[in-house]
Amino acid sequence: QSELTQPPSASGTPGQRVTISCSGSTSNIGSNFVYWYQQLPEMAPKLLIYRNKERPSGVPDRFSGSKSGTSASLAISGLRSDDEADYYCSTWDDSLSGPAFGGGTKLTVL
Amino acid sequence: EVQLLESGGGLAQPGGSLRLSCAASGFTFKSYAMTWVRQAPGTGLHWVSAISGSAATTSYADSVKGRFTISRDNSKNTLYLQMDSLRAEDTALYYCAKSVATTQYYYFDLWGLGTLVTVSS
Repeated sequence: QSELTQPPSASGTPGQRVTISCSGSTSNIGSNFVYWYQQLPEMAPKLLIYRNKERPSGVPDRFSGSKSGTSASLAISGLRSDDEADYYCSTWDDSLSGPAFGGGTKLTVL
Repeated sequence: EVQLLESGGGLAQPGGSLRLSCAASGFTFKSYAMTWVRQAPGTGLHWVSAISGSAATTSYADSVKGRFTISRDNSKNTLYLQMDSLRAEDTALYYCAKSVATTQYYYFDLWGLGTLVTVSS
């Protein structure tokens, strides 16, 4: 059971824009930065977004993050077939005294 | 090359023990907090434990507190996870990951490929 709630699946066609939501509470998203990870099939997770909206070097600007209150979202524009992956949101949880992860969203490119 | 390589996973009986290792290369290991995150088959990620760069502070998820021990040897650039009193629910792929800071572990910019732990009789 995850402290953060994500939709289990999302889909889009090539070129489309898709958004993945992440819902939390005042003890996690509401008072801390949000991070996003991309996990390609059979691969290790990769940092995609940090501090709500910042992109690590090498991550294309098609990926963007935002946060409002106790929710956050990841947007992917110009969808490509190689964006098919599981996407996880994460944040510090004050109750857990550690990082919390969402259950993950499986993105399918139709 | 900057990388993390986990090892030590395998099959263990309930109540048994395993010791995981994570060999780091390509960065100044002692300068970063490190963590273990696990992923049970077909499920999401769950934080397990973390340790500061100097090993002065450690932290554990409630689900493993008192059973798992995290440690590191900065002279060998290696992170460890001693897992005792294993339970079936500990079955998962265990990732080690590098924090971006020395004492804090809010997020992780480098992950290994994981090592699989199966607890079954």
